[in-house]
Amino acid sequence: GNSVTQMEGPVTLSEEAFLTINCTYTATGYPSLFWYVQYPGEGLQLLLKATKADDKGSNKGFEATYRKETTSFHLEKGSVQVSDSAVYFCALRGSGSARQLTFGSGTQLTVLP
Amino acid sequence: DTGVSQDPRHKITKRGQNVTFRCDPISEHNRLYWYRQTLGQGPEFLTYFQNEAQLEKSRLLSDRFSAERPKGSFSTLEIQRTEQGDSAMYLCASSLGGTNWEGPAYEQYFGPGTRLTVT
Repeated sequence: GNSVTQMEGPVTLSEEAFLTINCTYTATGYPSLFWYVQYPGEGLQLLLKATKADDKGSNKGFEATYRKETTSFHLEKGSVQVSDSAVYFCALRGSGSARQLTFGSGTQLTVLP
Repeated sequence: DTGVSQDPRHKITKRGQNVTFRCDPISEHNRLYWYRQTLGQGPEFLTYFQNEAQLEKSRLLSDRFSAERPKGSFSTLEIQRTEQGDSAMYLCASSLGGTNWEGPAYEQYFGPGTRLTVT
């Protein structure tokens, strides 16, 4: 079956530091890959996505590249802000008819001023 | 606000009681999904509807769980004879479904969730 393995947290960084959150996946076929973010007290929000190999998703300074050869979709940001503090979830959408999302366990990011 | 809404936001119940949650999807979305998220974990798929038809159910959805979407609009998730292990956040998401899967409307938009605590 499909699965997503995500770097365990929590991760604590100082403002303006470089961020990497690792994500690898196992899936049959050609999944689409996503990063979702969950701010305190809020619902999941789509941050970025990539639908095929070598695609780069980007949004709000965050980037992730779909690497089929390493089955990875690592999230990066060059300079984090306090407002980026949240839980980040890597997810994949399989090619089955239900199109449901399979999530990783989430990484708590705290950015200190 | 035209996003996905869920009601109630919080529910505390005693073991053995029945509970029902409601989800109102984005109005033009024909697909509706239920997920469960336990503390420290990512959401896990429970079931989904296309219009009023429930097309897939996860093995996580035991016989005590039932979901409906009677008119293809809002959906309810009922848990009968609740157990402490049912304590979790129950998330609803909606999307369009069709032959073109790549536009932003085909992504899943999540509601704020209903947090269930079984005492």
